Amino acid sequence: QVTLKESGPVLVKPTETLTLTCTVSGFSLSNARMGVSWIRQPPGKALEWLAHIFSNDEKSYSTSLKSRLTISKDTSKSQVVLTMTNMDPVDTATYYCARIRAGLWWFDPWGQGTLVTVSS
Amino acid sequence: DIQMTQSPSSLSASVGDRVTITCRASQSISSYLNWYQQKPGKAPKLLIYAASSLQSGVPSRFSGSGSGTDFTLTISSLQPEDFATYYCQQSYSTPQAFGPGTKVDIK
Repeated sequence: QVTLKESGPVLVKPTETLTLTCTVSGFSLSNARMGVSWIRQPPGKALEWLAHIFSNDEKSYSTSLKSRLTISKDTSKSQVVLTMTNMDPVDTATYYCARIRAGLWWFDPWGQGTLVTVSS
Repeated sequence: DIQMTQSPSSLSASVGDRVTITCRASQSISSYLNWYQQKPGKAPKLLIYAASSLQSGVPSRFSGSGSGTDFTLTISSLQPEDFATYYCQQSYSTPQAFGPGTKVDIK
């Protein structure tokens, strides 16, 4: 069974850096064409794709957030890490990770999500 | 970047109704279009991929169609568990944008 689980701080202060971890099970981050995406959803709003990383270490980022995001993976720990710098209250959202496969390009399954609030 | 729109933004329907949601891409995306269902407080769930392929385990009352720029999600007979928000997502190119969502609630 494929599962993903997000972890990280519940509350961050403005200007701080957010670090989120996605721990996966049921598949390996070293498998060909396998990848993980991060997606966020502000309260009551739509989904926004942030970044993805594949087993070959190919990475891609949201155009509008590219300067603030870094995605990486630790295959031995089955983890994908997303960092977002210079957090602002508008970044308050539920952050999801989801599996993606090169050539298939849909998100399935998703983690349960983690709500991050940005406030002083 | 490709932009996605959906219509309507919300709709009210009764159990048993046929419901159609439309998604439009700002440029041709062939059949690289996926649909998700999201219930309150839950993560999205994949319903339809590649415009018309039903994800395993999803009831057959859900169907998708379209290609190019215009797509539809149809629920043939709305069930109580189908009241949710539905999102389309283009997977033609990065960034893989989502539509703004369509909320389906009870009439």
